[in-house]
Amino acid sequence: QSVLTQPPSVSAAPGQNVTISCSGNSSNIGSNYVSWYQVLPGTAPKRLISENNQRPSGIPDRFSGSKTGTSATLGISGLQTADEALYYCASWDNSLNGGQGWVFGGGTKMTVL
Amino acid sequence: QVQLVQSGAEVKKPGSSVKVSCKASGGSFKSFALTWVRQAPGQGLDWMGGAIPFFGTPNYSQKFQGRVTITTDESTGTAFMELTNLTSEDTAVYYCARDRGENWGSRYIHYSMDVWGTGTTVIVSS
Repeated sequence: QSVLTQPPSVSAAPGQNVTISCSGNSSNIGSNYVSWYQVLPGTAPKRLISENNQRPSGIPDRFSGSKTGTSATLGISGLQTADEALYYCASWDNSLNGGQGWVFGGGTKMTVL
Repeated sequence: QVQLVQSGAEVKKPGSSVKVSCKASGGSFKSFALTWVRQAPGQGLDWMGGAIPFFGTPNYSQKFQGRVTITTDESTGTAFMELTNLTSEDTAVYYCARDRGENWGSRYIHYSMDVWGTGTTVIVSS
Protein backbone atom coordinates (compact mmCIF):
# COMPACT_ATOMS: atom_id res chain seq x y z
CA GLN A 1 0.00 0.00 0.00
CA SER A 2 1.40 3.37 -1.02
CA VAL A 3 1.41 6.23 1.48
CA LEU A 4 0.04 8.66 -1.11
CA THR A 5 -3.19 7.76 -2.90
CA GLN A 6 -3.62 8.12 -6.66
CA PRO A 7 -6.27 6.73 -9.00
CA PRO A 8 -4.94 3.60 -10.75
CA SER A 9 -5.90 4.84 -14.19
CA VAL A 10 -7.29 7.74 -16.18
CA SER A 11 -8.10 7.97 -19.85
CA ALA A 12 -9.09 10.62 -22.33
CA ALA A 13 -9.04 11.37 -26.04
CA PRO A 14 -6.29 13.41 -27.71
CA GLY A 15 -6.76 17.12 -27.22
CA GLN A 16 -8.76 16.77 -24.02
CA ASN A 17 -7.71 17.89 -20.55
CA VAL A 18 -7.18 15.50 -17.64
CA THR A 19 -6.28 15.70 -13.99
CA ILE A 20 -4.64 13.19 -11.66
CA SER A 21 -5.20 13.50 -7.94
CA CYS A 22 -2.79 12.67 -5.12
CA SER A 23 -3.96 12.48 -1.53
CA GLY A 24 -1.79 12.37 1.57
CA ASN A 25 -1.80 13.63 5.15
CA SER A 26 -0.41 16.33 7.39
CA SER A 27 3.03 14.73 7.73
CA ASN A 28 3.69 14.58 4.00
CA ILE A 29 1.73 16.71 1.52
CA GLY A 30 0.30 18.86 4.29
CA SER A 31 3.74 20.10 5.36
CA ASN A 32 6.07 19.44 2.43
CA TYR A 33 6.35 20.06 -1.30
CA VAL A 34 4.79 17.77 -3.90
CA SER A 35 6.53 16.72 -7.09
CA TRP A 36 5.30 14.74 -10.09
CA TYR A 37 7.10 12.25 -12.33
CA GLN A 38 6.40 10.64 -15.68
CA VAL A 39 7.61 7.10 -16.30
CA LEU A 40 7.70 5.68 -19.81
CA PRO A 41 8.36 1.93 -20.29
CA GLY A 42 12.01 1.07 -19.87
CA THR A 43 13.08 4.59 -18.93
CA ALA A 44 13.99 6.41 -15.72
CA PRO A 45 11.40 8.67 -14.11
CA LYS A 46 11.30 12.20 -15.47
CA ARG A 47 10.43 15.12 -13.23
CA LEU A 48 7.45 17.12 -14.52
CA ILE A 49 6.57 19.33 -11.56
CA SER A 50 8.64 20.47 -8.57
CA GLU A 51 7.62 22.32 -5.42
CA ASN A 52 3.88 21.81 -5.96
CA ASN A 53 3.54 23.87 -9.12
CA GLN A 54 6.95 24.70 -10.60
CA ARG A 55 7.58 23.47 -14.09
CA PRO A 56 11.30 22.84 -14.82
CA SER A 57 12.73 24.16 -18.05
CA GLY A 58 11.94 21.93 -20.97
CA ILE A 59 8.62 20.72 -19.59
CA PRO A 60 5.73 21.90 -21.78
CA ASP A 61 3.26 24.30 -20.23
CA ARG A 62 0.55 21.71 -20.91
CA PHE A 63 1.63 20.21 -17.58
CA SER A 64 0.60 21.98 -14.38
CA GLY A 65 0.56 21.24 -10.67
CA SER A 66 -1.37 22.48 -7.68
CA LYS A 67 -1.69 21.70 -3.98
CA THR A 68 -4.40 22.37 -1.44
CA GLY A 69 -4.05 21.18 2.12
CA THR A 70 -3.16 17.48 2.03
CA SER A 71 -3.98 16.91 -1.64
CA ALA A 72 -2.30 17.72 -4.92
CA THR A 73 -3.29 17.60 -8.56
CA LEU A 74 -1.42 17.16 -11.82
CA GLY A 75 -3.11 18.68 -14.84
CA ILE A 76 -2.41 17.82 -18.46
CA SER A 77 -4.05 19.94 -21.13
CA GLY A 78 -4.26 19.21 -24.84
CA LEU A 79 -3.55 15.51 -24.31
CA GLN A 80 -1.16 13.91 -26.81
CA THR A 81 -0.45 10.27 -27.60
CA ALA A 82 3.08 10.82 -26.27
CA ASP A 83 1.55 11.50 -22.83
CA GLU A 84 0.55 7.86 -22.47
CA ALA A 85 2.66 6.85 -19.46
CA LEU A 86 2.66 6.19 -15.73
CA TYR A 87 2.52 9.24 -13.47
CA TYR A 88 3.65 9.35 -9.83
CA CYS A 89 3.33 11.98 -7.14
CA ALA A 90 5.90 12.23 -4.36
CA SER A 91 6.43 14.16 -1.15
CA TRP A 92 8.77 14.11 1.82
CA ASP A 93 7.20 12.60 4.91
CA ASN A 94 8.25 13.90 8.34
CA SER A 95 6.78 10.95 10.22
CA LEU A 96 7.39 7.77 8.26
CA ASN A 97 7.47 4.70 10.50
CA GLY A 98 9.32 6.64 13.18
CA GLY A 99 11.64 8.33 10.72
CA GLN A 100 11.49 10.49 7.63
CA GLY A 101 11.72 9.84 3.92
CA TRP A 102 10.26 10.19 0.47
CA VAL A 103 6.83 8.70 -0.13
CA PHE A 104 5.20 8.03 -3.48
CA GLY A 105 1.74 7.49 -4.83
CA GLY A 106 0.94 4.11 -6.33
CA GLY A 107 1.07 5.52 -9.84
CA THR A 108 -1.62 6.41 -12.38
CA LYS A 109 -1.69 4.84 -15.83
CA MET A 110 -2.64 7.47 -18.39
CA THR A 111 -4.29 6.03 -21.49
CA VAL A 112 -4.86 8.20 -24.55
CA LEU A 113 -7.91 6.82 -26.32
CA GLN B 1 24.75 19.82 -15.84
CA VAL B 2 24.79 16.85 -13.51
CA GLN B 3 24.41 13.38 -14.98
CA LEU B 4 24.23 10.16 -12.97
CA VAL B 5 25.59 6.99 -14.56
CA GLN B 6 24.93 3.69 -12.82
CA SER B 7 26.62 0.32 -12.97
CA GLY B 8 25.40 -2.48 -15.19
CA ALA B 9 22.80 -5.17 -14.66
CA GLU B 10 23.37 -7.88 -12.07
CA VAL B 11 22.08 -11.40 -11.56
CA LYS B 12 22.31 -12.60 -7.98
CA LYS B 13 21.50 -15.70 -5.97
CA PRO B 14 19.07 -15.56 -3.05
CA GLY B 15 20.87 -14.74 0.17
CA SER B 16 23.68 -12.86 -1.55
CA SER B 17 24.35 -9.10 -1.74
CA VAL B 18 24.49 -6.54 -4.52
CA LYS B 19 26.34 -3.23 -4.64
CA VAL B 20 25.14 -0.69 -7.19
CA SER B 21 27.24 2.34 -8.09
CA CYS B 22 26.16 5.80 -9.20
CA LYS B 23 28.80 8.08 -10.70
CA ALA B 24 28.18 11.80 -10.97
CA SER B 25 29.51 13.89 -13.81
CA GLY B 26 29.20 17.66 -13.81
CA GLY B 27 28.79 17.85 -10.05
CA SER B 28 29.95 16.49 -6.69
CA PHE B 29 28.17 14.54 -3.97
CA LYS B 30 29.75 17.02 -1.57
CA SER B 31 27.28 19.59 -2.82
CA PHE B 32 24.04 17.72 -3.31
CA ALA B 33 21.86 15.15 -1.64
CA LEU B 34 21.38 11.76 -3.24
CA THR B 35 18.57 9.29 -2.81
CA TRP B 36 17.89 5.72 -3.95
CA VAL B 37 14.60 4.47 -5.34
CA ARG B 38 13.65 1.11 -6.77
CA GLN B 39 10.87 -0.16 -9.04
CA ALA B 40 9.98 -3.83 -8.98
CA PRO B 41 8.28 -5.34 -12.06
CA GLY B 42 4.70 -4.12 -12.27
CA GLN B 43 5.10 -2.13 -9.04
CA GLY B 44 5.43 1.53 -8.17
CA LEU B 45 8.38 3.60 -7.02
CA ASP B 46 9.80 2.68 -3.61
CA TRP B 47 12.19 4.93 -1.65
CA MET B 48 15.11 3.07 -0.07
CA GLY B 49 17.21 5.75 1.57
CA GLY B 50 19.34 8.78 0.98
CA ALA B 51 22.24 10.92 2.13
CA ILE B 52 22.48 14.68 2.58
CA PRO B 53 25.88 16.39 2.83
CA PHE B 54 26.62 17.89 6.25
CA PHE B 55 23.66 16.10 7.82
CA GLY B 56 25.51 13.10 9.19
CA THR B 57 24.68 9.49 8.48
CA PRO B 58 22.37 8.36 5.67
CA ASN B 59 18.65 7.99 6.27
CA TYR B 60 17.06 4.63 5.44
CA SER B 61 13.54 3.43 4.83
CA GLN B 62 12.27 1.21 7.65
CA LYS B 63 11.36 -1.33 4.95
CA PHE B 64 15.05 -1.88 4.16
CA GLN B 65 16.57 -1.04 7.53
CA GLY B 66 19.36 -3.44 8.37
CA ARG B 67 19.78 -4.60 4.77
CA VAL B 68 20.72 -1.44 2.92
CA THR B 69 23.87 0.68 3.20
CA ILE B 70 24.50 3.91 1.29
CA THR B 71 28.04 5.19 1.00
CA THR B 72 29.93 7.79 -0.99
CA ASP B 73 33.48 7.83 -2.33
CA GLU B 74 34.12 11.52 -2.81
CA SER B 75 37.54 10.90 -4.36
CA THR B 76 35.91 9.22 -7.36
CA GLY B 77 32.57 11.04 -7.25
CA THR B 78 30.73 7.75 -6.87
CA ALA B 79 27.92 6.73 -4.56
CA PHE B 80 27.04 3.16 -3.69
CA MET B 81 23.96 1.32 -2.50
CA GLU B 82 24.48 -2.15 -1.08
CA LEU B 83 21.55 -4.45 -0.39
CA THR B 84 22.14 -7.68 1.50
CA ASN B 85 20.27 -10.94 2.07
CA LEU B 86 18.58 -10.73 -1.32
CA THR B 87 15.32 -12.52 -2.12
CA SER B 88 13.32 -12.77 -5.33
CA GLU B 89 11.27 -9.81 -4.11
CA ASP B 90 14.36 -7.62 -4.52
CA THR B 91 14.27 -8.14 -8.29
CA ALA B 92 13.85 -4.57 -9.51
CA VAL B 93 15.38 -1.62 -11.32
CA TYR B 94 17.36 0.49 -8.87
CA TYR B 95 17.80 4.23 -9.43
CA CYS B 96 19.91 6.89 -7.80
CA ALA B 97 18.52 10.42 -8.02
CA ARG B 98 19.60 13.89 -6.95
CA ASP B 99 17.47 15.04 -4.05
CA ARG B 100 17.05 18.72 -4.86
CA GLY B 101 16.36 21.03 -1.94
CA GLU B 102 17.95 23.53 0.40
CA ASN B 103 19.29 23.78 3.91
CA TRP B 104 16.95 25.61 6.25
CA GLY B 105 18.65 25.94 9.60
CA SER B 106 18.92 22.42 10.99
CA ARG B 107 16.55 21.01 8.38
CA TYR B 108 16.84 20.11 4.73
CA ILE B 109 13.79 21.12 2.70
CA HIS B 110 13.21 18.55 -0.04
CA TYR B 111 11.91 19.98 -3.33
CA SER B 112 12.04 17.06 -5.75
CA MET B 113 14.23 14.41 -7.34
CA ASP B 114 15.42 16.30 -10.38
CA VAL B 115 18.15 14.20 -11.98
CA TRP B 116 17.81 10.43 -12.19
CA GLY B 117 20.44 7.81 -12.83
CA THR B 118 20.43 5.44 -15.76
CA GLY B 119 19.00 2.63 -13.65
CA THR B 120 20.45 -0.76 -12.72
CA THR B 121 18.48 -3.97 -13.20
CA VAL B 122 19.01 -6.50 -10.43
CA ILE B 123 17.59 -9.97 -10.90
CA VAL B 124 17.55 -12.35 -7.94
CA SER B 125 17.13 -15.95 -9.01
CA SER B 126 18.35 -19.35 -7.99
